[in-house]
Amino acid sequence: DQQVKQNSPSLSVQEGRISILNCDYTNSMFDYFLWYKKYPAEGPTFLISISSIKDKNEDGRFTVFLNKSAKHLSLHIVPSQPGDSAVYFCAARDDKIIFGKGTRLHILP
Amino acid sequence: ETGVTQTPRHLVMGMTNKKSLKCEQHLGHNAMYWYKQSAKKPLELMFVYSLEERVENNSVPSRFSPECPNSSHLFLHLHTLQPEDSALYLCASSQAPLGATNEKLFFGSGTQLSVL
Repeated sequence: DQQVKQNSPSLSVQEGRISILNCDYTNSMFDYFLWYKKYPAEGPTFLISISSIKDKNEDGRFTVFLNKSAKHLSLHIVPSQPGDSAVYFCAARDDKIIFGKGTRLHILP
Repeated sequence: ETGVTQTPRHLVMGMTNKKSLKCEQHLGHNAMYWYKQSAKKPLELMFVYSLEERVENNSVPSRFSPECPNSSHLFLHLHTLQPEDSALYLCASSQAPLGATNEKLFFGSGTQLSVL
């Protein structure tokens, strides 16, 4: 059973608009959440993280929101740029890091 | 360049072959990992090594055999694989000890494996 779920396999967003990628989890013991970005033919690269004691973490154009009661986190990218087109993986940690299936983001010109 | 190098980038092998995947990290990290990424599936953790000692074997079949001769190198030895083992195999490393709050994984580019 998947503990980290990304229910949208793909998302298309106009350049300059906000991209919102969603992630749900089932394990209330997760204490740390991460987002990774992956381009074709490359490994995933770390993007941003949030501890379970916070509800928001911001880094430039990227903001991650955590709603513990709903077991939901989201990644906001604003404004979206063409280079943001990639697969985004949500991940969560208890004693190891568990990944979701990923969401492919397409930024449209 | 993430500081984690994997070779080969692509590998095609028959079910009776024996091959090895290699990973090298230049980051001075203490832990190394093998992950498997199959189509339309989450990244699956296979093995974890911390300070050259295997600390996790995530119910991986014995046809996959890891080796960590030192903290910078990690191998995955493959023998008698099945077509369903075709996937992207990713190596990763981390600085923080397992369980540390700020643990981040640094991934290599992966080996795309096809088993015929």
